[in-house]
Amino acid sequence: DGGITQSPKYLFRKEGQNVTLSCEQNLNHDAMYWYRQDPGQGLRLIYYSQIVNDFQKGDIAEGYSVSREKKESFPLTVTSAQKNPTAFYLCASRPGSGTDTQYFGPGTRLTVL
Amino acid sequence: QQQVKQSPQSLIVQKGGISIINCAYENTAFDYFPWYQQFPGKGPALLIAIRPDVSEKKEGRFTISFNKSAKQFSLHIMDSQPGDSATYFCAARPYGQNFVFGPGTRLSVLP
Repeated sequence: DGGITQSPKYLFRKEGQNVTLSCEQNLNHDAMYWYRQDPGQGLRLIYYSQIVNDFQKGDIAEGYSVSREKKESFPLTVTSAQKNPTAFYLCASRPGSGTDTQYFGPGTRLTVL
Repeated sequence: QQQVKQSPQSLIVQKGGISIINCAYENTAFDYFPWYQQFPGKGPALLIAIRPDVSEKKEGRFTISFNKSAKQFSLHIMDSQPGDSATYFCAARPYGQNFVFGPGTRLSVLP
């Protein structure tokens, strides 16, 4: 099956801890994205990557970090510097330039205890 | 100017009725307008999308109406079903740039 997988589905973290959310795609898509979703708000872009070994900050990158060492993987680390990390995190991918459609993974719900 | 406004915030419709969700934008550089459907605890799924060179696009029970001069676009769900109960997001994207999403509309279709 082709698609985007995110793990874990649920994640609990104590304050002050860093956690890494996994995002893997086997669609051979060039671009990958991380969004944060809070109740009653639209999706907000955290980081995105158009090609391997390159990524850019989105609208709310503070307190987050990413890497793109492989085309199929784009992990997101939520650091202790993120003041309000409890949210639903969505990974997405897009085939490449000239293609508009963006596909989403199933999401990871992070709760800080 | 990068915002997409969406209304209503929530919508309750009887089974068989028409659900209408509206979005408005300011940035005339937007050239792709998708609608996403999201069920609780799941990722959004592309439902239907339109470009500004057409005024309407229909796929099954779902129709996008696009008014370029008013900078508005809307999603119509005909013969709404309880299985359509979900959150719907409109989005817009300038060519070569990132998407901007509306805040979402929670639709409930009563049996």
